[in-house]
Amino acid sequence: DAKTTQPNSMESNEEEPVHLPCNHSTISGTDYIHWYRQLPSQGPEYVIHGLTSNVNNRMASLAIAEDRKSSTLILHRATLRDAAVYYCILRDVRYEKLTFGTGTRLTIIP
Amino acid sequence: DGGITQSPKYLFRKEGQNVTLSCEQNLNHDAMYWYRQDPGQGLRLIYYSQIVNDFQKGDIAEGYSVSREKKESFPLTVTSAQKNPTAFYLCASSISRPQPQHFGDGTRLSIL
Repeated sequence: DAKTTQPNSMESNEEEPVHLPCNHSTISGTDYIHWYRQLPSQGPEYVIHGLTSNVNNRMASLAIAEDRKSSTLILHRATLRDAAVYYCILRDVRYEKLTFGTGTRLTIIP
Repeated sequence: DGGITQSPKYLFRKEGQNVTLSCEQNLNHDAMYWYRQDPGQGLRLIYYSQIVNDFQKGDIAEGYSVSREKKESFPLTVTSAQKNPTAFYLCASSISRPQPQHFGDGTRLSIL
């Protein structure tokens, strides 16, 4: 499985943008980049995914490097509800499973 | 609202006992999954099913069993052979690869 590397934790001020980085230097051509987030005692929540081009949805934006070896999840205006563990995952279209690492714990400062 | 329902939210197992965790979805998804999460760690795949009456082992299937008799339902049985069953169990479903997986709110299993 291709691996991802994320910082263990990050802090951000409320109402400011947040940039969550992810390195995936061994990404293959069949890997999609997925982001999920998880609140305590809840299941992971899908945030966004992409293959090569940058993606936007109502929750966030995903910026993917041209060589696809890194990506950044962008929360445009953080709220206290965005405090969670964020997982960057590579999903190989050939296989079923998602491989979760330990993620980035995001703390939002009021 | 469409979604995935896991029950119960909390479950306790006695030594030597089998317990079954329920997972139901009304999203009309073909694929369903069971994951296990230990404290401070990511998720690990136990079993998955791409279609009714068929399922495949994941990375940590030993001590677990599943069935897929209906598209909407994918129950997980934690057998007495699973020696360390205390964990947070998550069920998910998806339309197909590489579409996102949608998760339930989990069942927390503990040993009495």
